[in-house]
Amino acid sequence: EAGVVQSPRYKIIEKKQPVAFWCNPISGHNTLYWYLQNLGQGPELLIRYENEEAVDDSQLPKDRFSAERLKGVDSTLKIQPAELGDSAVYLCASSQSPRETQYFGPGTRLLVL
Amino acid sequence: DAKTTQPTSMDCAEGRAANLPCNHSTISGNEYVYWYRQIHSQGPQYIIHGLKNNETNEMASLIITEDRKSSTLILPHATLRDTAVYYCIVTFSGNTPLVFGKGTRLSVIA
Repeated sequence: EAGVVQSPRYKIIEKKQPVAFWCNPISGHNTLYWYLQNLGQGPELLIRYENEEAVDDSQLPKDRFSAERLKGVDSTLKIQPAELGDSAVYLCASSQSPRETQYFGPGTRLLVL
Repeated sequence: DAKTTQPTSMDCAEGRAANLPCNHSTISGNEYVYWYRQIHSQGPQYIIHGLKNNETNEMASLIITEDRKSSTLILPHATLRDTAVYYCIVTFSGNTPLVFGKGTRLSVIA
């Protein structure tokens, strides 16, 4: 069974540029999560989807971050414009339902210069 | 979610059992104990979870004390590839996100 797929794996951009990350969850997983991991820290939730609906986005900085999960499968996380402090690893995870185990993708490592 | 306390770092000789402790003294009755690990430059990897009973799978064993206030993750024969940060997480396994602490950095030494 294929795991959670994320792309790109690495991204280097200049500040004020836009950037987008893509996630394909495990087949059949209805719940999708985006986490942010700063250097030396554990992951922190940004947003959680149940199918197409964002059910927990309280930690998502809505002034520059946006996310979508059209058709309830793939998801895209966007930052516009990026700031130096956005340099981090962006992780996607999925689970069959909110009550089931979460499985993580490899992450996208973002460096903003 | 209940908070967990883990040692910052541990060393283990290759081939020996690695025993990683976790304290969760404020755990409530319907909260699960989950263990994940994160190898350098990879995403967190699910290891095992449990509620009350001890659990074992192909990766590890989880021992939960009778009062559920602490647990131990056991890697029976540690290899160099087990070097990682290990996170102990207590969660309702429901509508709450996983709350990661700083974890334990396990170094397996040849």
